[in-house]
Amino acid sequence: AQKVTQAQTEISVVEKEDVTLDCVYETRDTTYYLFWYKQPPSGELVFLIRRNSFDEQNEISGRYSWNFQKSTSSFNFTITASQVVDSAVYFCALITHSGNTPLVFGKGTRLSVIA
Amino acid sequence: DTEVTQTPKHLVMGMTNKKSLKCEQHMGHRAMYWYKQKAKKPPELMFVYSYEKLSINESVPSRFSPECPNSSLLNLHLHALQPEDSALYLCASTHMQGNEQFFGPGTRLTVL
Repeated sequence: AQKVTQAQTEISVVEKEDVTLDCVYETRDTTYYLFWYKQPPSGELVFLIRRNSFDEQNEISGRYSWNFQKSTSSFNFTITASQVVDSAVYFCALITHSGNTPLVFGKGTRLSVIA
Repeated sequence: DTEVTQTPKHLVMGMTNKKSLKCEQHMGHRAMYWYKQKAKKPPELMFVYSYEKLSINESVPSRFSPECPNSSLLNLHLHALQPEDSALYLCASTHMQGNEQFFGPGTRLTVL
């Protein structure tokens, strides 16, 4: 069975601080995909990144960066110089390649960036 | 065009009403999904359609009835709902298993 754990329920930071959102996953499959989604108060889930299990390269996109470490089964997300617009709920998710398995979400981390 | 549209945005219905939620995508995706999301919870999968056929039904009560008229459209027919069915209903689509799912803005449903 697959599982995604986001231990941080809520995080509050002051604007311009850096913040890291943790994600730990469990799966027995060797081929799997990890995702981060952002859900602002409007409700829409916005896709941020997809990483497959064979690609451990870290990725940077503007103020966002992701650290994928298979050795610790973690896929952490860092926002540099946070802004008020970053306030949202962030979900980490996992799907395996085998069969028609559903996307498994973590419980989400609510990030509040205070001006 | 990476857009999934959903109508209506908001819906209020009584327990005896029949209503439908609509989802549309024009990205050529062959898998479409319905999720239910309660406040402060992650989305929960309800149904998956793959190539217009129902492939996953996560033990959803029969008062929710999905329909996929064609590869671009997905409907969710609602009948005799309960107040606890009030939630945000999200539609998503993807090209294939393992690819990112693109979500619509959701329908906020309130059952009185």
